[in-house]
Amino acid sequence: ETGVTQTPRHLVMGMTNKKSLKCEQHLGHNAMYWYKQSAKKPLELMFVYSLEERVENNSVPSRFSPECPNSSHLFLHLHTLQPEDSALYLCASSQGTGVNEKLFFGSGTQLSVL
Amino acid sequence: RKEVEQDPGPFNVPEGATVAFNCTYSNSASQSFFWYRQDCRKEPKLLMSVYSSGNEDGRFTAQLNRASQYISLLIRDSKLSDSATYLCVVRPGGYQKVTFGIGTKLQVIP
Repeated sequence: ETGVTQTPRHLVMGMTNKKSLKCEQHLGHNAMYWYKQSAKKPLELMFVYSLEERVENNSVPSRFSPECPNSSHLFLHLHTLQPEDSALYLCASSQGTGVNEKLFFGSGTQLSVL
Repeated sequence: RKEVEQDPGPFNVPEGATVAFNCTYSNSASQSFFWYRQDCRKEPKLLMSVYSSGNEDGRFTAQLNRASQYISLLIRDSKLSDSATYLCVVRPGGYQKVTFGIGTKLQVIP
């Protein structure tokens, strides 16, 4: 069983909706990540938080808004999404942010934007 | 040139076969390397780190060739349960940026 849990597992939303993805890690890690995985594309890093501070934002459109209230929780707030935003959104955590840190993923939220 | 390149496959191999995947990377300053496994509609899971001297974990052997800038994964005595997509992951010496390959799909056939 994974130490990183994501909800919801599936989400269908219209382009005018507002929704949030939730991630919680039970591993005592200090870093959390959001990744996007689209069909036939590699995982794309969206955001990185280290000790609740955002340390990387990979040119992600403002319709995606992350929030990290503490080191165990991470949210991704969604609004006015586009159909091309449909993808698997994966949360991950790691102990730290050093070069040898290993990532532990949640099971993802499969998002469909209509 | 892509930062991390993998042959997407699929590689169809019979049970018991030995199969090898390569992954090339463009940033010569890359410092750490990993193989992750991703089952269909599931999250990626760490399979093994890749060390300069090469490392083995049961039927799996990972190697790093810094001169040619590639890493490899060898699977011996393939099992049906090895069917999955294998993701190459490269971490440059910078801060947290981790780059994933597109993955190589392996299908082990009875």
